[in-house]
Amino acid sequence: DAGVTQSPTHLIKTRGQHVTLRCSPISGHKSVSWYQQVLGQGPQFIFQYYEKEERGRGNFPDRFSARQFPNYSSELNVNALLLGDSALYLCASSLGPRGSMNTEAFFGQGTRLTVV
Amino acid sequence: GNSVTQMEGPVTLSEEAFLTINCTYTATGYPSLFWYVQYPGEGLQLLLKATKADDKGSNKGFEATYRKETTSFHLEKGSVQVSDSAVYFCALPNQAGTALIFGKGTTLSVSS
Repeated sequence: DAGVTQSPTHLIKTRGQHVTLRCSPISGHKSVSWYQQVLGQGPQFIFQYYEKEERGRGNFPDRFSARQFPNYSSELNVNALLLGDSALYLCASSLGPRGSMNTEAFFGQGTRLTVV
Repeated sequence: GNSVTQMEGPVTLSEEAFLTINCTYTATGYPSLFWYVQYPGEGLQLLLKATKADDKGSNKGFEATYRKETTSFHLEKGSVQVSDSAVYFCALPNQAGTALIFGKGTTLSVSS
């Protein structure tokens, strides 16, 4: 069975540019979450989507946005990139009812974004 | 809101040594508790979990017990291997159940 897949695995962008990251959850999982992991820190929650609706949002600026498609895949968009946006972006899918994180979450390998 | 405090590293051990990584939490109610592991250059993998008080999660020789009285979920392994070298994260859901809250991570280095 395929796990959570993310694309691309690495990319380099220039300050001010826009980036789109993609995630496909495990088959049957309706909940997708996005996390930002800065080097040397734990992951920080950005968004959760369940059944195509936003169910939770972390403390990130409006430059960050996301959406979930009918097939439950998801995109994370970041506008006007800053140097500080350089990080590993992780996508997680879960089977929990109504997106509950009291069941285990399965993470993808992440997208390493470097902003120069 | 819910929070987690994790022992900071790095932790450096010789092969076959005993490992403990401390984790304490603050939570409303009794949420599930998790340990995730991150190997170099990779994403997070669930190592073990516990869903209620006094539950013991275990996997690959690692264990952690959900202690309500001490609000702790310490990770232990009796005999570490070089292949256990990684970063370990303690985590629990936020109060709304919409996100995982992670500790800062503990880097474990095991030498032969």
